[in-house]
Amino acid sequence: GENVEQHPSTLSVQEGDSAVIKCTYSDSASNYFPWYKQELGKRPQLIIDIRSNVGEKKDQRIAVTLNKTAKHFSLHITETQPEDSAVYFCAEGGNQFYFGTGTSLTVIP
Amino acid sequence: DTEVTQTPKHLVMGMTNKKSLKCEQHMGHRAMYWYKQKAKKPPELMFVYSYEKLSINESVPSRFSPECPNSSLLNLHLHALQPEDSALYLCASSLVRAVGIEQYFGPGTRLTVT
Repeated sequence: GENVEQHPSTLSVQEGDSAVIKCTYSDSASNYFPWYKQELGKRPQLIIDIRSNVGEKKDQRIAVTLNKTAKHFSLHITETQPEDSAVYFCAEGGNQFYFGTGTSLTVIP
Repeated sequence: DTEVTQTPKHLVMGMTNKKSLKCEQHMGHRAMYWYKQKAKKPPELMFVYSYEKLSINESVPSRFSPECPNSSLLNLHLHALQPEDSALYLCASSLVRAVGIEQYFGPGTRLTVT
């Protein structure tokens, strides 16, 4: 339901390093877990999502893993670039969309 | 057309004004949503329309009044707002209102209440 915890709230990495953001949820019925990227002053944009029938999904430098037993899912960004700097929100799409609190990612050139 | 559009982009209004925000999509989506987003916070759901009928109102004050005149349009009528209502108002749509369906967001209207 409404409790989607997201950590960390801020994250700074050097360009080329990896970044990992984690979310935990409480609703066992949830089966859809999207990740949104929001640049300053812009709309949230879906970057990757995962459904409960798979444990991992990858799209180029971005991957998401899901552990339904532990009720947590994570976003992994490899080979980070300055343009990856943004706020990232996880969401739990059960009967409603509930967003995590957001992670402000800064990639330092 | 594969996007959600919103007008106006920016709006400044006084506490006694009446204004409306507009949202439009031509993707054939039958679920539309209004979210409010304060700075550095996640979007908070306000209203959900499914097949042009209001299906969720997340205890939003009556000074916000949604309207869905047809399957492509969603309005948010504003009246007697407070300064704390200043925020980014995001519209979103999805194919239907169902579990596990992707939502597409509009660019938002940046509202300032003076």
